[in-house]
Amino acid sequence: QKEVEQNSGPLSVPEGAIASLNCTYSDRGSQSFFWYRQYSGKSPELIMSIYSNGDKEDGRFTAQLNKASQYVSLLIRDSQPSDSATYLCAVNTGFQKLVFGTGTRLLVSP
Amino acid sequence: DTAVSQTPKYLVTQMGNDKSIKCEQNLGHDTMYWYKQDSKKFLKIMFSYNNKELIINETVPNRFSPKSPDKAHLNLHINSLELGDSAVYFCASSQDPDTRRDYGYTFGSGTRLTVV
Repeated sequence: QKEVEQNSGPLSVPEGAIASLNCTYSDRGSQSFFWYRQYSGKSPELIMSIYSNGDKEDGRFTAQLNKASQYVSLLIRDSQPSDSATYLCAVNTGFQKLVFGTGTRLLVSP
Repeated sequence: DTAVSQTPKYLVTQMGNDKSIKCEQNLGHDTMYWYKQDSKKFLKIMFSYNNKELIINETVPNRFSPKSPDKAHLNLHINSLELGDSAVYFCASSQDPDTRRDYGYTFGSGTRLTVV
């Protein structure tokens, strides 16, 4: 079982819709969780971090964490074509390293 | 000012050669990392250093040797390059993740290594 799992996509949504990206992780001791966005040919950039159960909102982005289900999600409201990218879920399992999922490719059509 | 800078951005070299990639961060972070991103875009940690001390070595072949002269620099030297080493290598830095659990990594722009 992979440590961090994501559906590779692509996830296609129309402009203005809500995009929902999901991630599961295997290590119950994981402490904090991150969502990164990576455009093609660019480096990952941090969008959100979350470490408490529940929702955390930042602008159009909402991260959701359920530690009992070992599940993290990212909602993007009012999706824009510029949101088209690969979204990487990352988990801090301790031991000073982030473990990344393989990413979900999001396509937002005008 | 670039927060995490890597050089070179592109590296094309022949099998068997030795090459180095340099990384510098000006964020005052304690911890630096090397990640490898393969053709399927999977990011996998290779090494981490905390204040010049090696913390993680993720079963990377010993042809790869990281060196951290100070906490702002982490270089990667690769001996006897192989075709399978072709990938994008990212340097990253963070505050000590054990004390700042909500603090993510800042990545450099990456070095695309092509071994021919």
